[in-house]
Amino acid sequence: EVQLVESGGDLVQPGGSLRLSCAASGFSVTNYYMTWVRQAPGKGLEWVSIIYTGDNTFYADSVRGRFSISRDNSENTLYLQMNSLRPEDTAVYYCAKREHNGYYLSWGQGTLVTVSS
Amino acid sequence: IQLTQSPSSLSASVGDRVTITCRASQGINNFLAWYQQKPGKAPVLLIYAASILQSGVPPRFSGSRSGTDFTLTISSLQPEDFAGYYCQQLQSYPLTFGGGTKVEIK
Repeated sequence: EVQLVESGGDLVQPGGSLRLSCAASGFSVTNYYMTWVRQAPGKGLEWVSIIYTGDNTFYADSVRGRFSISRDNSENTLYLQMNSLRPEDTAVYYCAKREHNGYYLSWGQGTLVTVSS
Repeated sequence: IQLTQSPSSLSASVGDRVTITCRASQGINNFLAWYQQKPGKAPVLLIYAASILQSGVPPRFSGSRSGTDFTLTISSLQPEDFAGYYCQQLQSYPLTFGGGTKVEIK
């Protein structure tokens, strides 16, 4: 059974950093494109970043240069390093697995990041 | 690519037919998905490739496409369908979502 479990969300001050983790089970993150999507409180979904199996990465304009996606194949875990955090980065962050047909069937439960002084 | 989803909310009764529309700002072929999201939960994939029903999703859900207009239809609304619905385009980066539709009980 595919399972994704996010962790690392916390309250952080503006300008601070945080690293989110997404522990995967039931499949290898090495073999799938993995993505992060976020949702600000009471708002809609926003795509954040994706990492390909070949380690190519793409980012939303709103986070490019501040966020970095990576994975640890030995830990079977996806990461999102978030630097220079802003209040508008406050959101629940979800990781998701892209199926080979290009669509996102499996999602984690989300982890809350709050950026506030 | 921008996705304009409408309406942003609607009130309906159990048994009603509900239609939600998502308009893309440019051609995205059939690279569109629909999700259902309940409060405090992750999105659930309903439809992919514009019209293919994800395995396990009730057949009262259907999707269609006409050019750059995409439609999600719930043929007979059930109590468990009161939720938020989002479209997503997967044609090009950045991947984008529609603004969402909240389906509420009338």
